[in-house]
Amino acid sequence: GAVVSQHPSWVICKSGTSVKIECRSLDFQATTMFWYRQFPKQSLMLMATSNEGSKATYEQGVEKDKFLINHASLTLSTLTVTSAHPEDSSFYICSARGLEGDTQYFGPGTRLTVL
Amino acid sequence: GENVEQHPSTLSVQEGDSAVIKCTYSDSASNYFPWYKQELGKRPQLIIDIRSNVGEKKDQRIAVTLNKTAKHFSLHITETQPEDSAVYFCAGTGGTSYGKLTFGQGTILTVHP
Repeated sequence: GAVVSQHPSWVICKSGTSVKIECRSLDFQATTMFWYRQFPKQSLMLMATSNEGSKATYEQGVEKDKFLINHASLTLSTLTVTSAHPEDSSFYICSARGLEGDTQYFGPGTRLTVL
Repeated sequence: GENVEQHPSTLSVQEGDSAVIKCTYSDSASNYFPWYKQELGKRPQLIIDIRSNVGEKKDQRIAVTLNKTAKHFSLHITETQPEDSAVYFCAGTGGTSYGKLTFGQGTILTVHP
C-alpha cells in the first residue's frame, strides 16, 4: 500500500517551454502533497505544499508564477514549470500524506533537463 | 521555522559493523521524526520513524532514539550489509499541523564487504 506515482520519469525540453509533472497517490487519498527539488548530492528542498481544493503554499524564494501547482483531487497534484530555463534542470520529487498519520510517501521523481 | 542538522556527511564502515547517524533539530514543537533511505536516482524510502512521545523504536537491525530535552535523534544500524549503502536523510516536522518536513543534509553511508 501507499504507492505514489510520478509522470514523466524524465523529460528533456527546450528553453522557454513549459513542462507539467503529475503526482498521483494510487491506493490512498492524499490530503496534502509536497513538491521537492533535489540537486545532485544534495538534500531535498521543499518547494511548496499542496492541499486539495486550495492554493498551494510556497516556500520562501520559490516563484509561484514559475512553478504552478494544482491539487485537483485527493489523488492528483500537478507541478508546471513555466518558461523553463537551464537553471531549472533538476530532480523534482513529490510526496503524499494520507488522511491519517504523518508519513509522507514519495514518488519516483522526475528528472528535468532544459536545453 | 525548523532547522535540522545531520552528521556525519559521509560514513564508511566494514560489513558487520554498526553505523550511527545523528541529527539535531531546533523547533521544540517538532513531534514526528522520520528517517529515509535514498539510493542513487531513486525515491526516498521511509525506513523508520519516531514520535515525540517515544524515546526509542526498533525494527530488526534499525533503531532510532530521541532525546527531546537535547533536541536530537539518532539512527542506529547494526550488522551492516553492503545493501545498506545509500544516502540517509533525517527530518523533522516543526510545529506545523500539515506535516511539512524539514530534511537534514544527508549522510552517505558506504558499507565495505
